[in-house]
Amino acid sequence: KNQVEQSPQSLIILEGKNCTLQCNYTVSPFSNLRWYKQDTGRGPVSLTIMTFSENTKSNGRYTATLDADTKQSSLHITASQLSDSASYICVVSAGLTGGGNKLTFGTGTQLKVEL
Amino acid sequence: GEEVAQTPKHLVRGEGQKAKLYCAPIKGHSYVFWYQQVLKNEFKFLISFQNENVFDETGMPKERFSAKCLPNSPCSLEIQATKLEDSAVYFCASSQSNGGARTQYFGPGTRLLVL
Repeated sequence: KNQVEQSPQSLIILEGKNCTLQCNYTVSPFSNLRWYKQDTGRGPVSLTIMTFSENTKSNGRYTATLDADTKQSSLHITASQLSDSASYICVVSAGLTGGGNKLTFGTGTQLKVEL
Repeated sequence: GEEVAQTPKHLVRGEGQKAKLYCAPIKGHSYVFWYQQVLKNEFKFLISFQNENVFDETGMPKERFSAKCLPNSPCSLEIQATKLEDSAVYFCASSQSNGGARTQYFGPGTRLLVL
């Protein structure tokens, strides 16, 4: 069964600090890994997408890494802001026979940035 | 439009009543996906469409759930005879294709409460 596990479950940091969120997955056949940000009461918004051959990708203050050998990914947030408070969801895409992808979602890391 | 639109935002139904949710994908996107998120937990895939054709329905509880994407109309997800456990946020997402690393763009969700 395809699974995506995230840690920590929740995290509180002070504004301006950095943090790193972790994602481990067992998804086969692997197609790509995505990080989404979900604000309270909103739909998820894509931050990064990485394929098998990519091991790092940045989007502003967000940097994602991927180690396809160990099946691990991380999302690093630099110089956190209050607006970074949200749930961060790791999503792994499996390739389907006949084409297409199917997404497996992690349960998310709830990040709170405080003054 | 440039955003996935979902209506209604909130829906309250008594157990056993019917619920119908709507989704307008981003213009030009040919794939539509429906997900169920219970209590801020992981997203459960329900069904996907390629234009008006069902692409993958492996996540659908077929007894009470049905979905359509008809030409020139919003896509719909219908739940007959709702149960308490159907209470969740239902997200619709759309993408240009379902292959490779195409981003899925999510709508704001419809919050269904079954009493």
